Amino acid sequence: VQLVQSGAEVKKPGASVKVSCNTSGYTFTDYYIHWVRQAPGQGLEWMGWINPNSGGTNYALKFQGRVTMTRDTSIYTAYMELSSLRSDDTAVYYCARNLANFYDTIGPDAFDIWGQGTMVTVSS
Amino acid sequence: SYELTQSLSVSVALGQTARITCGGNNIGIKNVHWYQQKPALAPVLVMYRNNNRPSGIPERFSGSNSGNTATLTISRVQGGDEADYYCQVWDSTTEFGGGTKLTVL
Repeated sequence: VQLVQSGAEVKKPGASVKVSCNTSGYTFTDYYIHWVRQAPGQGLEWMGWINPNSGGTNYALKFQGRVTMTRDTSIYTAYMELSSLRSDDTAVYYCARNLANFYDTIGPDAFDIWGQGTMVTVSS
Repeated sequence: SYELTQSLSVSVALGQTARITCGGNNIGIKNVHWYQQKPALAPVLVMYRNNNRPSGIPERFSGSNSGNTATLTISRVQGGDEADYYCQVWDSTTEFGGGTKLTVL
């Protein structure tokens, strides 16, 4: 089981960034994919999840209106797009798989597999 | 939002036992997950749903959760255990604790 993310990005304030998370080794449509970010020297911050089966999403309140999570089931890939970037969006962005699948009754759970992270730098 | 409180740092001598705590209001009724993060690497799940170890995590790692405190215990601490540790719970949304830096002396 692997999650492989796209490479580092440098963006100007006000721009958008789209990070991809290519999955392999399991049934993509059976597990939520979460997005978590970590600013330099800071802790972990959950951004939201996507249900790859239905495309349904749940975004953290802080990011609603600025984040869009999508997926392409034909290539087992999830995407996170963040718009109206600011300097404080500079962070490593991770995708992570939900531990429980949709056949469990647990719902959102621990994150058992993580991508390697994508550094997004916002600077003028 | 649900608040989780972790000590900033814990220091323990090599071979001793480290206890990393995560405080929250009535956290004992929630499932707590724990992650280990080493510098420049992605977090790794080391304990899920309070006291379950993922495959590949040594038996030296154990977890408990009761009342207002969840605890990750690392027995016979090794140098390779030095890392940041984060707790996580789901409430209406999910929250991470601020992280505890474990230093092995």
